[in-house]
Amino acid sequence: AQSVTQLGSHVSVSEGALVLLRCNYSSSVPPYLFWYVQYPNQGLQLLLKYTTGATLVKGINGFEAEFKKSETSFHLTKPSAHMSDAAEYFCAVSGRGNKLVFGAGTILRVKS
Amino acid sequence: ETGVTQTPRHLVMGMTNKKSLKCEQHLGHNAMYWYKQSAKKPLELMFVYSLEERVENNSVPSRFSPECPNSSHLFLHLHTLQPEDSALYLCASSQEAGQTNSPLHFGNGTRLTVT
Repeated sequence: AQSVTQLGSHVSVSEGALVLLRCNYSSSVPPYLFWYVQYPNQGLQLLLKYTTGATLVKGINGFEAEFKKSETSFHLTKPSAHMSDAAEYFCAVSGRGNKLVFGAGTILRVKS
Repeated sequence: ETGVTQTPRHLVMGMTNKKSLKCEQHLGHNAMYWYKQSAKKPLELMFVYSLEERVENNSVPSRFSPECPNSSHLFLHLHTLQPEDSALYLCASSQEAGQTNSPLHFGNGTRLTVT
């Protein structure tokens, strides 16, 4: 069985500040981990994914995430927030033989 | 252009109506999915199709009836819905249904309101 916990349903940052969105997972098999973003009135779009290999994964729009097995975490970061980053972000986990499970989402607000 | 197109974008229907949601993918994928997204709830997987064969049905009420005539098209037929069925319905596709390291590609959804 797998599960995902996203800490904080809402996160607010100032423009130019660091963005940190937290994701912890549980998985009975080596996990595949994903971050998706959903802009208003749109579907989900893949930001980045970790399957195997390098634990620091770079995605689109300057986002990156680090897979930390010892902490069962896959937190999403961006050094400097832009107004256009305001959206809802979803962490998801799957694994060999296990279907994809989404977290509840974190709404990111960027203040000018 | 997302590669996955959903129509209509918005739908308002009464509880006695029958309507259909349509999804088309232009990515050459073999798997297609219906998800339900309700406010303050995680995404709920409803149905999975692999090469036009339904491979998963997650205890969805029979008032929702999926149809996959080919690997590029997916429909969700709706009848006698309840107000709690109001939600954003998202279609997605992926390379293969069992390939769990492949990402999903989503359409922009149909916002359904049941009155």
